Amino acid sequence: DAKTTQPTSMDCAEGRAANLPCNHSTISGNEYVYWYRQIHSQGPQYIIHGLKNNETNEMASLIITEDRKSSTLILPHATLRDTAVYYCIVTVQGAQKLVFGQGTRLTINP
Amino acid sequence: ETGVTQSPTHLIKTRGQQVTLRCSSQSGHNTVSWYQQALGQGPQFIFQYYREEENGRGNFPPRFSGLQFPNYSSELNVNALELDDSALYLCASSRGQGARETQYFGPGTRLLVL
Repeated sequence: DAKTTQPTSMDCAEGRAANLPCNHSTISGNEYVYWYRQIHSQGPQYIIHGLKNNETNEMASLIITEDRKSSTLILPHATLRDTAVYYCIVTVQGAQKLVFGQGTRLTINP
Repeated sequence: ETGVTQSPTHLIKTRGQQVTLRCSSQSGHNTVSWYQQALGQGPQFIFQYYREEENGRGNFPPRFSGLQFPNYSSELNVNALELDDSALYLCASSRGQGARETQYFGPGTRLLVL
């Protein structure tokens, strides 16, 4: 599976959009981009995933660049409950082994 | 809520003992994966069970073993506990092996080895 690079930490004001970047320059054509988040001491929570096209669900939007070498997770109106570690994972099969990096620690400030 | 449950929530053991952790997968899910998360680190894949057979293993020694039952619930067994086994143990279930399938995680079992 391709490796990902994420900033160690980010801050965002409550009510603003939080944009979390992820670099995956060695991604293969059949690899998906998955995002999970982990709120302190809880199990990781699935957010969204995509292959080529941008995706949106009730939690977030995923923007994948045309060359697929990077992506951005967007939380449109961040709340304090969005404070968590966000993991970007690239994998051929979402049901198989997930390789978690260090993730981005996102802090939403009031 | 993901529908994935784990027991117990917390556990304290001493070095050399054995431990069994349990996971009930989400209804309709036939695949269970186990992960170990040390403090301050991301989860690390231990192994996966698909339809009661081991279907992939991470870089963990044989004293980490597992089972999956006909109802797709699962157990993680760790023998000869070491201090470094202290961690949050997570299980995740998924509906199958398809490319777009998603793993849904339980709340975890926090194990402390003294």
